[in-house]
This record gives sequence, structure tokens and C-alpha cells, in this order.
Amino acid sequence: ELKVEQNPLFLSMQEGKNYTIYCNYSTTSDRLYWYRQDPGKSLESLFVLLSNGAVKQEGRLMASLDTKARLSTLHITAAVHDLSATYFCAVDAIQGAQKLVFGQGTRLTINP
Amino acid sequence: DAGVTQSPTHLIKTRGQQVTLRCSPKSGHDTVSWYQQALGQGPQFIFQYYEEEERQRGNFPDRFSGHQFPNYSSELNVNALLLGDSALYLCASNKMGGLRSNEQFFGPGTRLTVL
Repeated sequence: ELKVEQNPLFLSMQEGKNYTIYCNYSTTSDRLYWYRQDPGKSLESLFVLLSNGAVKQEGRLMASLDTKARLSTLHITAAVHDLSATYFCAVDAIQGAQKLVFGQGTRLTINP
Repeated sequence: DAGVTQSPTHLIKTRGQQVTLRCSPKSGHDTVSWYQQALGQGPQFIFQYYEEEERQRGNFPDRFSGHQFPNYSSELNVNALLLGDSALYLCASNKMGGLRSNEQFFGPGTRLTVL
């Protein structure tokens, strides 16, 4: 059974600092997704990583995928308050089937 | 271009009742998946519909059932509600096949409270 683990689960940081969220998964997959969720809201797609070595960047967020290590990272550069949210990674349980298994989420709080 | 829509936004039911949630996929999408998100948890996959048939199912009891209509919209039905069914129910859609077929777009969700 596919398991997806994120760490840390909670992260409090100051504006201007850099940090990384880690996502490990237990079985082979070449597709990994990152989502953002604000309190009481739905999931917003951030990145779709489709192959080993994939790297995508949008603003202060950068995501990468290492399929051999079964690891993805979401790096935050020079954090700003607006990035406060919960971040989820997700992996297809069956390749191509879109039966996503989510991590527990990382609740990120960025303080002024 | 309308995104994924869900109704109702909020719903309050009592134990033992039945509930139906509705979802319309994003324009051009033909596949609908349903997820349950308990408070403080990640979403859990319930099932997926494509071509009006259930294609994939997660670890949910038979009390959870669904349907997909010819216009690709979908319903999620839950019978004999339990307190533990209280959650945010998310609908997601995607287009089967194609290079980026597997990017799912999520709707705003239905918040179900069971008393």
C-alpha cells in the first residue's frame, strides 16, 4: 500500500527566511503533485512533477522530484506572509489512474 | 471557463440520515473523483467515475456510492450517516488521456456536519 509522508507537519518561520518541506513516498511513481490549501478552502494546484529530476519554480516556491529516492521537496525562498497555508504532496496510487494518495500536509505559518 | 463546481456548500444532517452531494466537472473534463478530508488531515480518495462507471475505489464502505451522468456531472451518496462522516468532501475532475491528463482540478468542496 502506497504511503506518503511529509515533514515537517508544522512549520513556523519568519519572513525572509528559506525553508524546505520534504515528501517521501513508499512505492515507485513518476508523478507527484503539490497543492496549497488555505483554511476552509479547497486545494489549489501548485506543481505537477512528471519525471525524475523535474524541477519547477513559481515565484518563491520551487519543487523538485527524485524518483530514485522517492523524494520530492518544496523549497520556499525569502518567505512572505502570503505563503502561510497548508501544503500537501500527493502521488498516484496506480500510475496514470489519478487515484491520489496525499501526505498529511505541512501547516506553514510565516510571521512578520 | 467554469472550474469545478459543487453543491451544496454546507450541509447539516443527523446520524442515520442519507445525503447526496453534487459535482460538475471543469469544462472539457470527463473524469470525476471524490475525496473526503477530515479536519486536520489530507484528503482520502473515495472513488472515481469515468464513462458513467466506477473505475477506482478507495477504502470506503458500501454506504458510500456514486453516479456519473452523461454530461459528466457526478453525485456522491452517503447512507446511514455516522458522526465520523463529518468532513469536507472534495470533487476533482480531469481529462482522461493526453499528456497532462492526470492533473486534477478540485472544486470548492461541501462541508458536511453530522450531528
